[in-house]
Amino acid sequence: SQTIHQWPATLVQPVGSPLSLECTVEGTSNPNLYWYRQAAGRGLQLLFYSVGIGQISSEVPQNLSASRPQDRQFILSSKKLLLSDSGFYLCAWSAGSFSTEAFFGQGTRLTVV
Amino acid sequence: GENVEQHPSTLSVQEGDSAVIKCTYSDSASNYFPWYKQELGKGPQLIIDIRSNVGEKKDQRIAVTLNKTAKHFSLHITETQPEDSAVYFCAASKRGFKTIFGAGTRLFVKA
Repeated sequence: SQTIHQWPATLVQPVGSPLSLECTVEGTSNPNLYWYRQAAGRGLQLLFYSVGIGQISSEVPQNLSASRPQDRQFILSSKKLLLSDSGFYLCAWSAGSFSTEAFFGQGTRLTVV
Repeated sequence: GENVEQHPSTLSVQEGDSAVIKCTYSDSASNYFPWYKQELGKGPQLIIDIRSNVGEKKDQRIAVTLNKTAKHFSLHITETQPEDSAVYFCAASKRGFKTIFGAGTRLFVKA
């Protein structure tokens, strides 16, 4: 069966520090991968998606970047965090062609102080 | 791109009553409409979905309806229980790719 791992679960970082959140998927190949952000009390905003290794699309301009160095690995990064980067970050995957459900990781709660 | 509107943002019902959450979408090419339930501190989990070739789908106490012409879809929960309390998200996508979510509805079921 497929599983998705996301870490860390919580993170407190000072303003201006770098960020690296990692997500890996097991049990499937060539998944579509996504990073979402959920601000407090709000919906899920799609940040990045990837259909293959090295292929990253950004949905909104921001202080973050994403990379996909391996087929089932998706990394969310920032060189210098801002206060406004605080939120709940969720990694998700869906199957390739004719996909349906998106499966979510447990999320990372990032607090920038 | 796709835009999904969800109402209400908060819903409070008495245990045993029904709850209805409504969503609209903008992209007529969207053909897959999942509903997710998110409990505190966790990632969303799919509870039911509907495809554009179906008008209604039911799974025990949960049902979804879809009106393609009006680009509306709704979640209906009957005989609500305290454990139904959570945040519910509607979403739309083309065959599951680039799922776009509504803003969420926080449902409170009072015992």
